[in-house]
Amino acid sequence: DARVTQTPRHKVTEMGQEVTMRCQPILGHNTVFWYRQTMMQGLELLAYFRNRAPLDDSGMPKDRFSAEMPDATLATLKIQPSEPRDSAVYFCASAGGRGNQPQHFGDGTRLSIL
Amino acid sequence: LAKTTQPISMDSYEGQEVNITCSHNNIATNDYITWYQQFPSQGPRFIIQGYKTKVTNEVASLFIPADRKSSTLSLPRVSLSDTAVYYCLVGDPPHTGGFKTIFGAGTRLFVKA
Repeated sequence: DARVTQTPRHKVTEMGQEVTMRCQPILGHNTVFWYRQTMMQGLELLAYFRNRAPLDDSGMPKDRFSAEMPDATLATLKIQPSEPRDSAVYFCASAGGRGNQPQHFGDGTRLSIL
Repeated sequence: LAKTTQPISMDSYEGQEVNITCSHNNIATNDYITWYQQFPSQGPRFIIQGYKTKVTNEVASLFIPADRKSSTLSLPRVSLSDTAVYYCLVGDPPHTGGFKTIFGAGTRLFVKA
């Protein structure tokens, strides 16, 4: 069963440090999403890519967050510098077809910024 | 983007049928309706998707009236393992392609023995 793989599963670091989260989408999926989930805000869409090109990153704080797809098998989300309010679970999802196919989610990266 | 409204929580007993209704009054012509399920410490998992009328798969049924302003997810004979948060999404694909999705607060279903 094809799955979206996210690494690391857990990350604890101190404020000000750079954090990089990685995602391997399902092979053949051309749309990749990054979400953030907190108790207060629920699931928020941060950014999404189609055919490796960013389509919308309006949900992402631009001053410290950046998202890229170096190749079709890897998506990255970076936070620099990190802040305690960035603590959350970050999910990656991928979808095939023309983007309106169901999204397949990874199990997330649980990030804690001290 | 079409906004969705769902009940915050629901309780049920094992073996019962559960119906969760989602309101989406501003749904657009091209929008699909998709439901996801999320267990603690896991990412959301696709359950079912539809455009109009009724869709059924091995897990659930989705009922969509003609005006498409609401939809109902039906889970037949729930078990304890169906305890989860259920999200209703309405898609708004931009003309350039893609599927910008907005997850609402979801419905927390608690199934009791």
